[in-house]
Amino acid sequence: GEDVEQSLFLSVREGDSSVINCTYTDSSSTYLYWYKQEPGAGLQLLTYIFSNMDMKQDQRLTVLLNKKDKHLSLRIADTQTGDSAIYFCAETNPLDNNNDMRFGAGTRLTVKP
Amino acid sequence: NAGVTQTPKFRVLKTGQSMTLLCAQDMNHEYMYWYRQDPGMGLRLIHYSVGEGTTAKGEVPDGYNVSRLKKQNFLLGLESAAPSQTSVYFCASSYRGPNQPQHFGDGTRLSIL
Repeated sequence: GEDVEQSLFLSVREGDSSVINCTYTDSSSTYLYWYKQEPGAGLQLLTYIFSNMDMKQDQRLTVLLNKKDKHLSLRIADTQTGDSAIYFCAETNPLDNNNDMRFGAGTRLTVKP
Repeated sequence: NAGVTQTPKFRVLKTGQSMTLLCAQDMNHEYMYWYRQDPGMGLRLIHYSVGEGTTAKGEVPDGYNVSRLKKQNFLLGLESAAPSQTSVYFCASSYRGPNQPQHFGDGTRLSIL
């Protein structure tokens, strides 16, 4: 099947920028998402990008999409301790008969004071 | 707004017991999903529904059944629980298809002894 891959861990200092990377294999992916999961909670949608875009910015969040390399990244500026969480990359393909949203394994972001 | 509500939040079962996980959404969403989350594996789709009265299999449907008798509710059943079904289960919903953002419940942590 198609895969979505992320590194499992990232540690940064408070105030620094965080960059979480994701690669995917389905060249027909249309929508790509970033979700945040805090301990004991469900996934919260942070932002998403259509495949015909290469960048989207929303306050401290910047999403970059390199469709040629099938690479998605999430940059968090001025990272705060409240940003500590697991971040999931996900993608969907409208041509997929399984109506599936494929998730990466998640990147655990730790922000040190 | 309640959003997506899952009950119960925690449950411990013995092997062979049965139970039903409940999911309710108040957003008038057509699509509903059940995922399981296991360490290092991201979320995997168990079953989904594209509307009231419909259900379909996802990536890992074996050992589970679902029902969508009412648009707002999506039930996940384990007929004979096995230790391999120990996991955190998430329900999600989206307005139309999976290409639209999915809204998640807070999860049900299920342990099978």
